[in-house]
Amino acid sequence: KAGVTQTPRYLIKTRGQQVTLSCSPISGHRSVSWYQQTPGQGLQFLFEYFSETQRNKGNFPGRFSGRQFSNSRSEMNVSTLELGDSALYLCASSYTRGGLEPAKNIQYFGAGTRLSVL
Amino acid sequence: AQKITQTQPGMFVQEKEAVTLDCTYDTSDPSYGLFWYKQPSSGEMIFLIYQGSYDQQNATEGRYSLNFQKARKSANLVISASQLGDSAMYFCAMREVLTGGGNKLTFGTGTQLKVEL
Repeated sequence: KAGVTQTPRYLIKTRGQQVTLSCSPISGHRSVSWYQQTPGQGLQFLFEYFSETQRNKGNFPGRFSGRQFSNSRSEMNVSTLELGDSALYLCASSYTRGGLEPAKNIQYFGAGTRLSVL
Repeated sequence: AQKITQTQPGMFVQEKEAVTLDCTYDTSDPSYGLFWYKQPSSGEMIFLIYQGSYDQQNATEGRYSLNFQKARKSANLVISASQLGDSAMYFCAMREVLTGGGNKLTFGTGTQLKVEL
């Protein structure tokens, strides 16, 4: 069974540009979450999508957005890039099953997209 | 709000020895899940082990075991018979169920483990 696939693995952009990152979840997983990892702030929750709907969003500015498609694939977009957006962006998928205690839904991560903003 | 604390920024262990990575947590939720992930230098976050707040027994997965002490709010990871390939950053995380019906992981700051010959 294929794992979570994130593309591209590396990106270099300049300030003011926008960027789109892609995430393909594990087959059968309907929930996709995004996290930002930086040396200073650690791992921070960006947002979660389930059945094409954003269920929750972390404390990030509106420049960060995302969407989920009917096949559960997800994209996140960052507009007007700033130097501080340089980070490893991780995507995770989980199998949210009705009746299953939510805390037991294990999130499986991809290898991440490393974004550098110059 | 939930909080995860990992007080060991770095740890060294000899190959084939056991090592314990500390994790304490804080939450007011009666139901929660605790996770450990391994992150090699490549960046991928690899799931290792899960412990539910109502689980009666400590979780084990191969060489990984979780020393869960609910009253002390600690969930330490024990790696037995360390291998060179265990050298990585290790994160403790807690699952928070959100009001929108979803959930998110709150991570600790991580422990960098180095396995030496």
